[in-house]
Amino acid sequence: QQQVKQSPQSLIVQKGGISIINCAYENTAFDYFPWYQQFPGKGPALLIAIRPDVSEKKEGRFTISFNKSAKQFSLHIMDSQPGDSATYFCAVSSGSARQLTFGSGTQLTVLP
Amino acid sequence: NAGVTQTPKFQVLKTGQSMTLQCAQDMNHNSMYWYRQDPGMGLRLIYYSASEGTTDKGEVPNGYNVSRLNKREFSLRLESAAPSQTSVYFCASSEGQGGFYEQYFGPGTRLTVT
Repeated sequence: QQQVKQSPQSLIVQKGGISIINCAYENTAFDYFPWYQQFPGKGPALLIAIRPDVSEKKEGRFTISFNKSAKQFSLHIMDSQPGDSATYFCAVSSGSARQLTFGSGTQLTVLP
Repeated sequence: NAGVTQTPKFQVLKTGQSMTLQCAQDMNHNSMYWYRQDPGMGLRLIYYSASEGTTDKGEVPNGYNVSRLNKREFSLRLESAAPSQTSVYFCASSEGQGGFYEQYFGPGTRLTVT
């Protein structure tokens, strides 16, 4: 059973545009929702994370929007830059869990 | 600080051969993890070690064994490699056990089994 579904699989955006990546989950016990960023040839690194007590979290050009009733959360990248070209993974977890469960990943390409 | 280091970076094995992937962290983290990454499948947890002296199975443990040698080192062993184990393997560590802790990843090992 896939615990978190991520879409789209790939995304191409023009420089300066907005990139949006979506994730949906089923288990209402999840209460921690991070996004990891992975550049080619590197390991993933934490980008931004949210807890369900807020509906939005912003760090610079990166924003997580969280919809608890719909069991969905999304990553918005404003003013996308070629340097943002990477693979993005959403993940879910809970305080009682010992591990993260990752989505399938979205390969983002920002054209100059 | 080197963070999380992995060796080797690349490896080619023949079906049936064995090998051990090495991982070490210098952040004094308690928990360590092994993932595999396949196209379209994301990162899948193979094994993890919540603390020194303990190991637990993740989502895809079959065909693998692990050893938490000490607090710094966590190795992954393939006893009899199969083509289905062709993948990129990542080691990660976190300060504590539990999903709230940030995981720090190594640079990965690209393994091909022919």
